Amino acid sequence: SAVISQKPSRDICQRGTSLTIQCQVDSQVTMMFWYRQQPGQSLTLIATANQGSEATYESGFVIDKFPISRPNLTFSTLTVSNMSPEDSSIYLCSVEHGPPYEQYFGPGTRLTVT
Amino acid sequence: KQEVTQIPAALSVPEGENLVLNCSFTDSAIYNLQWFRQDPGKGLTSLLLIQSSQREQTSGRLNASLDKSSGRSTLYIAASQPGDSATYLCAVHAGNNRKLIWGLGTSLAVNP
Repeated sequence: SAVISQKPSRDICQRGTSLTIQCQVDSQVTMMFWYRQQPGQSLTLIATANQGSEATYESGFVIDKFPISRPNLTFSTLTVSNMSPEDSSIYLCSVEHGPPYEQYFGPGTRLTVT
Repeated sequence: KQEVTQIPAALSVPEGENLVLNCSFTDSAIYNLQWFRQDPGKGLTSLLLIQSSQREQTSGRLNASLDKSSGRSTLYIAASQPGDSATYLCAVHAGNNRKLIWGLGTSLAVNP
């Protein structure tokens, strides 16, 4: 298994500002994932982050809005840029272990944009 | 395109009941299937992972089964407790692209 921590756990931000979310894993992992979960919805994958390469973004998500860093095998950051109220969500990072590629999640960052 | 459906969307039961949550998927070419639990406003906890070659997995009061040919998985919770109240999510690992395809979840309330 993997133990994942995220910072901050929650934040309230003003429109137009940016927030960087940190994700720390207690073991080295190849792939890390960033998800968004809007109120009452299931999870939506934002991007996949491999160490040493550019993140791969899903349809509807762009690097200018959600830049991601992956400087080493235990750490990643997601920045939510130029925020609007529509960005209010829980942001989750996850890692996979294996095979069999079981995924583990961090506790999430609850973001409210006013 | 793989789609995952969970039924029911919500379930309310008295404490002590045995219950079954259902997950169906449209493409049987899966690598594995994972069940998660999510408490309100929190992250996800992995409950059970079933590899495509397996039929079931058990952990404590939880038992998950997989029938690839019919595109179904069930999560059985024995002797439910109020602490089991949460949203249960099913996700299918679609293989080479390393992505999980998610159901919308079943919201479970176990009443004392």
